Amino acid sequence: DIVMTQSPDSLAVSLGERATINCKSSRSVLNTSNNKNYLAWYQQKLGHPPELLIYWASTRESGVPDRFTGSGSGTDFTLTISSLQAADVAVYYCQQYYSSPYTFGQGTKLEIK
Amino acid sequence: QVQLQQSGPGLVKPSGTLSLTCAVSGGSVSGSHWWSWVRQSPGKGLEWIGEIYLSGGTNYNPSLKNRVTMSVDKSKNQFSLNLNSLTAADTAVYYCAGMLVAMDVWGQGTTVTVS
Repeated sequence: DIVMTQSPDSLAVSLGERATINCKSSRSVLNTSNNKNYLAWYQQKLGHPPELLIYWASTRESGVPDRFTGSGSGTDFTLTISSLQAADVAVYYCQQYYSSPYTFGQGTKLEIK
Repeated sequence: QVQLQQSGPGLVKPSGTLSLTCAVSGGSVSGSHWWSWVRQSPGKGLEWIGEIYLSGGTNYNPSLKNRVTMSVDKSKNQFSLNLNSLTAADTAVYYCAGMLVAMDVWGQGTTVTVS
């Protein structure tokens, strides 16, 4: 199985400041035949199911604010929130869908400082 | 826009079988999505259980493979999960989800306690 490791486990950022979450996979999730990284980011608010933010490592899902940006390739990925809003308090997960079983990171809890 | 509505019991007995159903609205279970089940427990985080496609093709997590069955009912526009030989370790919130590229639509979640 591909192991997904996120850092940090928790993060406190001031409103309007940048938040950065990292995700590392134990094997590359880049498909060289189509040059796509099979990596997604989800946001989960308390008491709700996860919600898709980013897929193909950097493509924003429809309706997701442009302050959310995904980057990276191969084994190292980053989710950046450019200007933190109160509504962004949540747990964030990365997930690989390159190979089955699809696996998730352990989550990063984002709070307001 | 596709929406998913889960149903099923919240309490099941050890050694018993969990049966959950996910009804698809705003679209067809025979559409383009692969239909997945994911569970979430404090000890193990988010765990992908498996997926099924309209043709009936399935792909299960090897860690659960011997205990899992998924099916699609086109007449009712829904898909289902059966998980047998339950133990306390199967206590979790269970989600159904639809996957076009990644999991872009989710059910509301069902809290399942094995006791």
